[in-house]
Amino acid sequence: DAGVIQSPRHEVTEMGQEVTLRCKPISGHNSLFWYRQTMMRGLELLIYFNNNVPIDDSGMPEDRFSAKMPNASFSTLKIQPSEPRDSAVYFCASSRQGRTDTQYFGPGTRLTVL
Amino acid sequence: EDQVTQSPEALRLQEGESSSLNCSYTVSGLRGLFWYRQDPGKGPEFLFTLYSAGEEKEKERLKATLTKKESFLHITAPKPEDSATYLCAVQNQGGSEKLVFGKGTKLTVNP
Repeated sequence: DAGVIQSPRHEVTEMGQEVTLRCKPISGHNSLFWYRQTMMRGLELLIYFNNNVPIDDSGMPEDRFSAKMPNASFSTLKIQPSEPRDSAVYFCASSRQGRTDTQYFGPGTRLTVL
Repeated sequence: EDQVTQSPEALRLQEGESSSLNCSYTVSGLRGLFWYRQDPGKGPEFLFTLYSAGEEKEKERLKATLTKKESFLHITAPKPEDSATYLCAVQNQGGSEKLVFGKGTKLTVNP
């Protein structure tokens, strides 16, 4: 199994630009999670989906952030416009619904906003 | 609000020197407590889930224990390859799959 796939692995952009992060969950998993990790705040859940439907988006910091899951094998996290404080590592994870102990993380996308 | 506090922030051990990492938590109703290992530049890797006070789980040199207020990750005779950041997380009984993570303990094991 290929595991959770994220792209790009690194992204450097300038303030005000749109950023799109992509995630392919493990086949057969129907829960998908987006996290953000910073030194100051640690690992925080932004949003999660069950069967492509957003369930909890309370962690999305503001309207500049949006996430979609158009099908079971693809999700995006978009930031528009980006700001320097958005610089962080963004992780995607997936699991079989209800089995959080088997939540598998991708390698992450390191985002730098200049 | 669910909270997780891990201590110490960093721990440096000599190879073979056993120690413990602490995870204190506050949650309205605990569904599960999770330990993950994170290597530099990688995503967290699942280690254990504990569900009730008194429960223990082991994997190689690691043993996780749980009380009503905290969890310990005991490392027996560590090796340099055990060096990593160890993350603790809790899940509330409320039905959400959300995990609330601590900031982690960075463990360095010197040969």
